[in-house]
Amino acid sequence: QVQLQESGPGLVKPSETLSLTCTVTGGSTNSSNYYWVWIRQPPGKGLEWIGNIYYSGSTYYNPSLKSRVTMSVDTSKNLFSLRLNSVTAADTAVYYCAIHSSSWSLRHYAMDVWGQGTTVTVSS
Amino acid sequence: DIQMTQSPSSLSTFVGDRVTVTCRASQTIDGNLHWYQQKPGKAPKLLIYAASSLQSGVPSRFIGSGSGTDFTLTISSLHPEDVATYFCQQSYRIPYTFGQGTKLQIK
Repeated sequence: QVQLQESGPGLVKPSETLSLTCTVTGGSTNSSNYYWVWIRQPPGKGLEWIGNIYYSGSTYYNPSLKSRVTMSVDTSKNLFSLRLNSVTAADTAVYYCAIHSSSWSLRHYAMDVWGQGTTVTVSS
Repeated sequence: DIQMTQSPSSLSTFVGDRVTVTCRASQTIDGNLHWYQQKPGKAPKLLIYAASSLQSGVPSRFIGSGSGTDFTLTISSLHPEDVATYFCQQSYRIPYTFGQGTKLQIK
């Protein structure tokens, strides 16, 4: 079964770039079976879908973040990545990676596997 | 963006009670609605997908229903381990959006 693990700096300075990776085990980032997803949750708040990426490299980003977000897949290392530039305190959150099947008929794109999350604080 | 509104925001009830959480979409999303359970300090866990399909391994006391704009998550008999926050999420249109959450506690 696919498992996901986020990693990256826990502290980022304002105006700098947040960079996170999600390491995949039990599955391949070169697989056409999944979309690889990033979601975040500010402290004490709800969930925000950041975007997703397919193995081919095609991406879908939340328009609210689109100008600052870049996602990529590294099939040689079996991981996918998130970069968010020009961060502010509003980007402080727990960041999750997740997956959903690329087949609509399976679960209508529900996210059925999640990483444990990594906390990122934006502060000087 | 499609707005997802959950109610109530929080509720407190007794073990064994029937619990109902509702989720309303700002436009029709057909059956593209999912429910997640999140316990403190943990990642969300998928409970129900496509409005009414039970995810593998999830107890049958969790029941989803609805279509169009109005959806319901029912816990038929509350267990102590059901203390959590519950979120709905639509996958009808990008950007996928979540409800604000319903925090469930036990009296």
